[in-house]
Amino acid sequence: AQTVTQSQPEMSVQEAETVTLSCTYDTSESDYYLFWYKQPPSRQMILVIRQEAYKQQNATENRFSVNFQKAAKSFSLKISDSQLGDAAMYFCAYRSRGGTYKYIFGTGTRLKVLA
Amino acid sequence: NAGVTQTPKFRVLKTGQSMTLLCAQDMNHEYMYWYRQDPGMGLRLIHYSVGEGTTAKGEVPDGYNVSRLKKQNFLLGLESAAPSQTSVYFCATRTSDGNEQFFGPGTRLTVL
Repeated sequence: AQTVTQSQPEMSVQEAETVTLSCTYDTSESDYYLFWYKQPPSRQMILVIRQEAYKQQNATENRFSVNFQKAAKSFSLKISDSQLGDAAMYFCAYRSRGGTYKYIFGTGTRLKVLA
Repeated sequence: NAGVTQTPKFRVLKTGQSMTLLCAQDMNHEYMYWYRQDPGMGLRLIHYSVGEGTTAKGEVPDGYNVSRLKKQNFLLGLESAAPSQTSVYFCATRTSDGNEQFFGPGTRLTVL
């Protein structure tokens, strides 16, 4: 069975600085998807970024980028130029490319942004 | 275009009471999911559906039942609520060929 681990329950970053959130996963599959979701205090889950395992190029979305290391089964999220609105819970998630329909979520990292 | 909506947003139950949570979507998505979110545990899948009339168990199905009689609705039922079911419940949808899940706003349920 696949697992997703986020080892940092909480992180802090100074406004305008850069922070990296860690995520590791375990799978025997070769093709899958990885996601980062943001959950602000409103509780709404928002997709931040998506990575397809067969693509070697790291995904980027404006200030958000990932460092995808397939061999190491690592999928970290880098937030550049942190803003107060980035404060939220961040969840890493995994989904197989075919067969199953389930997403597996990590336990989350709470990001605090300091003014 | 409301997306994914959940009813109710908050509810307090007494142990042993029953209730149904409604998830409705207007995006014509095939897949629908029910998750629960507890502190320090992330989101855990309760049940899911790959289409109208179908349901399947997820990671933590005990104590819950679901029905998908209409494509746009996915109901989550608690027949006899227990304090361990105090949680925030999220519904999500996905297209059959897509990868992004679209989440509802969540329902906070407290069982006393």
